Amino acid sequence: NAGVTQTPKFRILKIGQSMTLQCTQDMNHNYMYWYRQDPGMGLKLIYYSVGAGITDKGEVPNGYNVSRSTTEDFPLRLELAAPSQTSVYFCASSYSGGEAFFGQGTRLTVV
Amino acid sequence: KQEVTQIPAALSVPEGENLVLNCSFTDSAIYNLQWFRQDPGKGLTSLLLIQSSQREQTSGRLNASLDKSSGRSTLYIAASQPGDSATYLCAVRPEETSGSRLTFGEGTQLTVNP
Repeated sequence: NAGVTQTPKFRILKIGQSMTLQCTQDMNHNYMYWYRQDPGMGLKLIYYSVGAGITDKGEVPNGYNVSRSTTEDFPLRLELAAPSQTSVYFCASSYSGGEAFFGQGTRLTVV
Repeated sequence: KQEVTQIPAALSVPEGENLVLNCSFTDSAIYNLQWFRQDPGKGLTSLLLIQSSQREQTSGRLNASLDKSSGRSTLYIAASQPGDSATYLCAVRPEETSGSRLTFGEGTQLTVNP
C-alpha cells in the first residue's frame, strides 16, 4: 500500500530557482491538498483540489502554483524560490470529506 | 475563520500514566475532526476520525471524544508508553461542501519517560 507518495524527500534550492514537488496517491481519492509546516507552527494550507481539473487557493498560495490533470497526481510548483519558502511541505488526500492521509513530506531549504 | 487551539503545547509524563490532550475550535459547524500523530522528521499518521454526529471513537489505548456544541475534543491515551512520544495534532473539517479543507491546531508535544 503506497498511499500518498511525495518526491523528493529533501531539496536545496538557490534563491530565484524553480522546482516542482511531486505528489501521487493510489487510493482513488478525489480531494488532494498541499500544506506547509514551519517550525513550531501548525500546518498551513497552500492549495487544494476537489477533483481533476479543479484547484483552489488555501491560506498561503503566494509564490506557488498547482495543477490537477489526473486523479492521482497533484504537483506543486515553486517559481522564483525565496528564503521564506524554506519549510516542510506535505501532500494529503481524502475521499471527499473523509479521513485524510498524508505523505512523508518534502524538506525544502532555499539559500 | 475557524481557529483550532491545542493545550498544553508540551507534556511530559512518566510511563504508565493515563493522559488527556485537549483540542478546541471556534466554529462548531464542523463535518468531522481528526487526530494525527507526527514523529520527528516524519509525516502525519491518522489516529482517529470522529464524525460530527459521533461522541467518541476508540482505537486500542486511544479514545477521542467530541463535544461539537462546546467546540472541544479530547484525546485520551491509556497506560502511556515511551513509544507514544510524538507530537499530536488535531484538525477540523468544516460543514461546507466546497473544498472541505482541514484546519490544524499547533499540536501537543508528548514525551513519555521510561
